[in-house]
Amino acid sequence: DAGVIQSPRHEVTEMGQEVTLRCKPISGHDYLFWYRQTMMRGLELLIYFNNNVPIDDSGMPEDRFSAKMPNASFSTLKIQPSEPRDSAVYFCASSLAYHHTGELTEAFFGQGTRLTVV
Amino acid sequence: RKEVEQDPGPFNVPEGATVAFNCTYSNSASQSFFWYRQDCRKEPKLLMSVYSSGNEDGRFTAQLNRASQYISLLIRDSKLSDSATYLCVVNRDAGNMLTFGGGTRLMVKP
Repeated sequence: DAGVIQSPRHEVTEMGQEVTLRCKPISGHDYLFWYRQTMMRGLELLIYFNNNVPIDDSGMPEDRFSAKMPNASFSTLKIQPSEPRDSAVYFCASSLAYHHTGELTEAFFGQGTRLTVV
Repeated sequence: RKEVEQDPGPFNVPEGATVAFNCTYSNSASQSFFWYRQDCRKEPKLLMSVYSSGNEDGRFTAQLNRASQYISLLIRDSKLSDSATYLCVVNRDAGNMLTFGGGTRLMVKP
C-alpha cells in the first residue's frame, strides 16, 4: 500500500479563494482524521470520520471549513473563503480499530499539504 | 487547560545521554496512549504505544501513571538521529479521538 496520500503537497492561494485539500486513506482503514499544524498551536484535530461518517467536528474553526468523505477511499477538506490565518500544514491520517476492542491501532499520516494564503 | 500538555523544550543533550520527557493528560477516562516522533517538515510517525505495565523497545522506555495522569518516555544512550519532536498522544474513551500534545523538541549534540 502506498500509505496515506494527500494532494496537493503545497498550495499558495490568495485570500478569499476556495481551497480544497484531498486525502486518500490506506485501504481498509475505517477511521480518517484531519489535523492542522502551526508553530503556535501545534497539531489540532479538526474533524474525524468513522466508516465515512463524521463523528466529531468540534475542532473545525468556523463555518468556512467543511469536510466530506463520500466513500471509504477519499476525503476532502474545503476552506471557503480562505484567510491568511488559515496558513498551516494540514495532515490527513487514517487508522483501523481493533475488531474485538474497538480501540485504534497505529494512525498513519500523509505527508501533509502546506497551505499559504496571501 | 489543554487536554494533553508537554514541555516544549528544547532539550539539548550530548550523545550518549539519557533523557526523559513527561506528558500530562486531563481526561481521566482516556484509554490508550502513544508516543509519536516528528522530524522537521515531516509527518508524525508512531514511535511506540504505551501500556499500563510500562514497555520497552530497545533504547526507549514508556511508562503510564494513571493515578497522576501522566505518561513518560525515556531515551537511553541518545543518538544524533534521535533529534526530533516527540509527541504525546491520548485516545479518549468511546470515540477514538486522537489528541496530540504540543510536542517536546529534542536536540542531541555530538
